[in-house]
Amino acid sequence: GENVEQHPSTLSVQEGDSAVIKCTYSDSASNYFPWYKQELGKRPQLIIDIRSNVGEKKDQRIAVTLNKTAKHFSLHITETQPEDSAVYFCAASKTDKLIFGTGTRLQVFP
Amino acid sequence: DTAVSQTPKYLVTQMGNDKSIKCEQNLGHDTMYWYKQDSKKFLKIMFSYNNKELIINETVPNRFSPKSPDKAHLNLHINSLELGDSAVYFCASSRHITQLGTEAFFGQGTRLTVV
Repeated sequence: GENVEQHPSTLSVQEGDSAVIKCTYSDSASNYFPWYKQELGKRPQLIIDIRSNVGEKKDQRIAVTLNKTAKHFSLHITETQPEDSAVYFCAASKTDKLIFGTGTRLQVFP
Repeated sequence: DTAVSQTPKYLVTQMGNDKSIKCEQNLGHDTMYWYKQDSKKFLKIMFSYNNKELIINETVPNRFSPKSPDKAHLNLHINSLELGDSAVYFCASSRHITQLGTEAFFGQGTRLTVV
């Protein structure tokens, strides 16, 4: 079955700096790679996603890149702000089964 | 309008009891899930239903029994609760597209504490 690894588990950055979170997946048939943000005590919410026919996608300060050959995908947040502090989850899916990475706790210090 | 709603939000109960968590979605989605989030924040899939039919059961103990009366509802019943069942349980739903992953929308979670 699919296995998703995520690194780092914690990440601390200064406000304005960039943050990068990396994930690898095991099932080469996976075709959908979303990123979820979970604030303390809240539900996970989608922030950006990418499909396997696309190598990069950007939405304002966040971007995701996908390397299908290496089975890697990454989340990039630029100009980080304190409100970006949360736990971020990557996930991989090919059908009705979204498998999540282990999460990255991002702290942005003012 | 709440897209995916689950009740209760908090549940505190004693070991050995039986409890249920209810979930409803008004998005018209065909697929619903239960995820368990433990104290380390790991999100693990438990069950997936498509049009009321079970399609994924991720080696969850038999004490957990999901029930889907219709495609808008997926309830989770837990028998003989154990301390290790304490976690946040999330219901989620998504559109079903054959052989294609799609976004999952999550409920607000149910924090279950077994004492």
